Amino acid sequence: AQSVTQLDSQVPVFEEAPVELRCNYSSSVSVYLFWYVQYPNQGLQLLLKYLSGSTLVKSINGFEAEFNKSQTSFHLRKPSVHISDTAEYFCAVSKIQGAQKLVFGQGTRLTINP
Amino acid sequence: DAGVIQSPRHEVTEMGQEVTLRCKPISGHNSLFWYRQTMMRGLELLIYFNNNVPIDDSGMPEDRFSAKMPNASFSTLKIQPSEPRDSAVYFCASNQDSGEYNEQFFGPGTRLTVL
Repeated sequence: AQSVTQLDSQVPVFEEAPVELRCNYSSSVSVYLFWYVQYPNQGLQLLLKYLSGSTLVKSINGFEAEFNKSQTSFHLRKPSVHISDTAEYFCAVSKIQGAQKLVFGQGTRLTINP
Repeated sequence: DAGVIQSPRHEVTEMGQEVTLRCKPISGHNSLFWYRQTMMRGLELLIYFNNNVPIDDSGMPEDRFSAKMPNASFSTLKIQPSEPRDSAVYFCASNQDSGEYNEQFFGPGTRLTVL
């Protein structure tokens, strides 16, 4: 079975500061990795994904995540955050065979202070 | 496209009552997922369907929960009888399962409160 650990339940940062949201996973088989974002009172939206190839993946709004197989991590980073990035962020994994079944972490609430 | 549609958006009911949550997936998608989000347990997959057939219901908590997908454009999640511990946000998601990875698109959720 797969499991995901998000080490921080809440991360407060100031606007324009860098941020890192941590994610570690456990799996006995190869996995796909995802970050989803949930804005207040909305459903989840896919932010970025790692399926194969380059271990560094980027989103259109400046976030990036790096797959580190040896450390079983997929941390999310942004060099300069905006107020609009305030949301809850979920790390998730799925098996490559059976990619329909997502396993989510507990989520990290990112709060941006002006 | 309107996206995944869920109704109602909010539901408040009393313990023991039957609750029915509804979901309309994105047109053309052949897989549908029901998730539950709580503070204690986070986001959990309850059940998913492919081509209207339940594929994995291992996340359904107990017999009080049932889900159906009578056709490609509609699914229900029913709780009977409801209990206060069922209070949560229930999300529906859909995608086009082609055998490879395909993004799941989530609805806005139904916030259920059982008093």
